[in-house]
Amino acid sequence: AQRVTQPEKLLSVFKGAPVELKCNYSYSGSPELFWYVQYSRQRLQLLLRHISRESIKGFTADLNKGETSFHLKKPFAQEEDSAMYYCALSGQSGYALNFGKGTSLLVTP
Amino acid sequence: SAVISQKPSRDICQRGTSLTIQCQVDSQVTMMFWYRQQPGQSLTLIATANQGSEATYESGFVIDKFPISRPNLTFSTLTVSNMSPEDSSIYLCSARDNSYEQYFGPGTRLTVT
Repeated sequence: AQRVTQPEKLLSVFKGAPVELKCNYSYSGSPELFWYVQYSRQRLQLLLRHISRESIKGFTADLNKGETSFHLKKPFAQEEDSAMYYCALSGQSGYALNFGKGTSLLVTP
Repeated sequence: SAVISQKPSRDICQRGTSLTIQCQVDSQVTMMFWYRQQPGQSLTLIATANQGSEATYESGFVIDKFPISRPNLTFSTLTVSNMSPEDSSIYLCSARDNSYEQYFGPGTRLTVT
């Protein structure tokens, strides 16, 4: 079975502070991992995928197979980063996504 | 990239009735999916809509309750049948092309009274 765990329901940080949104997964094969973001009143959109190893809007995420983690990090949070963040895994269901419960990030001035 | 639209954007329906949600993609895509997001919950996959064949349903979802059509590479429908208040949810359509990216529609907010 595959499972995605995001332990924090809500994360509040000050502007300019580092932020880390945690994601752990369980999957027996080689997963594809993603971070999706949903800004207020907008649709869900892809932020990062582990295979591309890119940085988007200052966010990075590294797949750690030993710890089965895919934490999302940004060194200096901005107010516009406030949103709902979902970690997702693609594995047994082919290309469908298995989502974590999401973490609501609030960046305050 | 693919742009996805859904109709209706929201609806309030009575118990026992059915609602069909339409999903239109602005380009041909290989795979389409339907998800449900219940209040305060994450997204749960309902089924994969296969073009030209029956949809593949996840555990806990059945064709009689959630019939799906996919007549071509740009369109799909999801019907929520014999609705009960427990079906109140946001229903999302998504599509994946040959890249790894999966695009999502804006969702249909369904309230069953």
